[in-house]
Amino acid sequence: DAGITQSPRHKVTETGTPVTLRCHQTENHRYMYWYRQDPGHGLRLIHYSYGVKDTDKGEVSDGYSVSRSKTEDFLLTLESATSSQTSVYFCAISLGQGNTGELFFGEGSRLTVL
Amino acid sequence: AQSVTQLGSHVSVSEGALVLLRCNYSSSVPPYLFWYVQYPNQGLQLLLKYTTGATLVKGINGFEAEFKKSETSFHLTKPSAHMSDAAEYFCAVSEHQAGTALIFGKGTTLSVSS
Repeated sequence: DAGITQSPRHKVTETGTPVTLRCHQTENHRYMYWYRQDPGHGLRLIHYSYGVKDTDKGEVSDGYSVSRSKTEDFLLTLESATSSQTSVYFCAISLGQGNTGELFFGEGSRLTVL
Repeated sequence: AQSVTQLGSHVSVSEGALVLLRCNYSSSVPPYLFWYVQYPNQGLQLLLKYTTGATLVKGINGFEAEFKKSETSFHLTKPSAHMSDAAEYFCAVSEHQAGTALIFGKGTTLSVSS
């Protein structure tokens, strides 16, 4: 089984503070993704990565940045959190080395911005 | 651009009844199609996928889906609902190209009553 660890699993922060969510994988998967899940919107892609230092934007990338300095870690940063970024954030990996479209998801990180 | 429309945000069935969850997609190239399930407070799990070949695909827990190109549909069915099927279900599409990410529908919550 692919292993994905998201941290923190729960976080409450205040508007204007920076927040970093971490996604760690235990296998050598090339493609990694960050999605956010909101009621009535399903999952929306924020950013994804197709290799170390190779990233691209998704449909809701404004206000978010990402970094991937190692294959196993994909970081999502909110430079200045806003209440609209209150959400559940899921990291996912594409199984295998190619982008097969078959994703394996982490358990999610619930972020509340007050 | 790809998109997914799930008809009905909430479907209710009785235990033992047919489950039908509807999904229509839009894609300019041959799609990969997926159904994922999410149980409360968990990440998403793959139910089944269509890539190429047989248009009727079988997944876990007795679910199946049929790819109908002429109708641009990929509806999910199960002959007999079980209480444990209560969850949120997401249809997703991606293109047959490396580097493209999954685009999800907004989800359908399935309720099963005894």
